[in-house]
Amino acid sequence: EVQLLESGGGLTQPGGSLRLSCGGSGFTFTNFAMSWVRQAPGKGLEWVSTISSSGDYTRYADFVEGRFAISRDNSRITLYLEMSSLRAEDTAAYYCARGEWLFDYWGQGILVTVSS
Amino acid sequence: QSALTQPASVSGSPGQSITISCTGTSSDIGTYNLVSWYQQHPGKAPKLIIYEVNKRPSGFSSRFSGSKSGNTASLTISGLQAEDEADYYCCSYAGGSAFVVFGGGTKLTVL
Repeated sequence: EVQLLESGGGLTQPGGSLRLSCGGSGFTFTNFAMSWVRQAPGKGLEWVSTISSSGDYTRYADFVEGRFAISRDNSRITLYLEMSSLRAEDTAAYYCARGEWLFDYWGQGILVTVSS
Repeated sequence: QSALTQPASVSGSPGQSITISCTGTSSDIGTYNLVSWYQQHPGKAPKLIIYEVNKRPSGFSSRFSGSKSGNTASLTISGLQAEDEADYYCCSYAGGSAFVVFGGGTKLTVL
């Protein structure tokens, strides 16, 4: 059974930083691109970032503006999202998802709250 | 404002069919057959229900079907059931800097 489990969320102040992690199991992690998708409270889904299976290319939504960095450690079967210069509008549930333009498996989501 | 446009809400009675539209542009839906649809129940993670316009994941109900015409994709749910009540999101590959775009979501109410 494919499982994705996010961790690392929480409360931080504007301008702060957080690192999200997503552990995968039940599939060959190295064979799949991985992505982050977020959902602000009461709002819709918003693509954040994608990384290729080998990690050699990455893509970001325009709103990231150089503040986030996606990476992966295939030896640890883990996906990361390093977020800095966080803003109130980054408050959302962040989902780890398998795939790059279709997302066939999703984690349960991790809440990131940016507030003073 | 979302890149893809969906109606905010639709409703139908049990047993009926409904269709949710998803309108994009020639840069996304109009060019690529990489439209997917997701179902999200309250407090739950999204679930893939249609990919590549009209393909269903293995084991998923045939009551769900997808189509595309020009810049607009559609999701049809036939034989509505109470458990279909959820939010539905369309998504398309867009290439370039946009890469992936979602619709704003449609809340389906089963009356």
